[in-house]
Amino acid sequence: DIQMTQSPSFVSASVGDRVTITCQASQGIGSWLAWYQQKPGKAPFLLIYLTSNLQSGVPARFSGSGSGTQFTLTISSLQPEDSAKYFCQQAHSFPYTFGQGTQLEIK
Amino acid sequence: QVHLVESGGGVAPPGGSLTLSCTASGFIFSTYAMHWVRQPPGKGLEWVSVILYDASKIFYTDAVKGRFTMSRDVSKETIYLQMDSLSPDDTAVYFCARATSSSPRYLDYWGQGTPVTVSS
Repeated sequence: DIQMTQSPSFVSASVGDRVTITCQASQGIGSWLAWYQQKPGKAPFLLIYLTSNLQSGVPARFSGSGSGTQFTLTISSLQPEDSAKYFCQQAHSFPYTFGQGTQLEIK
Repeated sequence: QVHLVESGGGVAPPGGSLTLSCTASGFIFSTYAMHWVRQPPGKGLEWVSVILYDASKIFYTDAVKGRFTMSRDVSKETIYLQMDSLSPDDTAVYFCARATSSSPRYLDYWGQGTPVTVSS
């Protein structure tokens, strides 16, 4: 199985900050990567698919990049409602796997 | 408006069985692949299975192969997850999710989840 490792596991930042979360795959996955946001007690929400494609309705401050084994999710100007846990997911091969998550706290 | 509602969760003993259901509305069910994903208490997400739009292919994560069976009923706009030989490691909230229209690989709408507890 492809292992997905996210870093950091926890990040604390202020409103307006630029935040970057990294996801590393244990083997090359091309561009088959998605990012999800999950708030406490809620279902995950698709933010980005195919590495850099913004899902409909997602604010433009979210962006994704990378290829192969290294990927990043960037929030350009942090907003209070961005407080959540973020997961990456590889969609290259079965079984699909998720990263362990990055908890984003607003200072 | 896309809506997914899971049901069937509960408490089962080790070695027992449960069947989860997920009823869809607000989209043409027969044209979308569907997934199950689970989340153990306080932990991350684990992808469980996917069924293609026409049920021609079904894939499972290794941890549930041979024990879980995913299916779909187009007439009821419902997917199912038959879970047998349950173990405490199967304890989790189980989410159903719709695949995106452009690819079955990504999950764009999720239900609220149904909790499963395996305990004696």
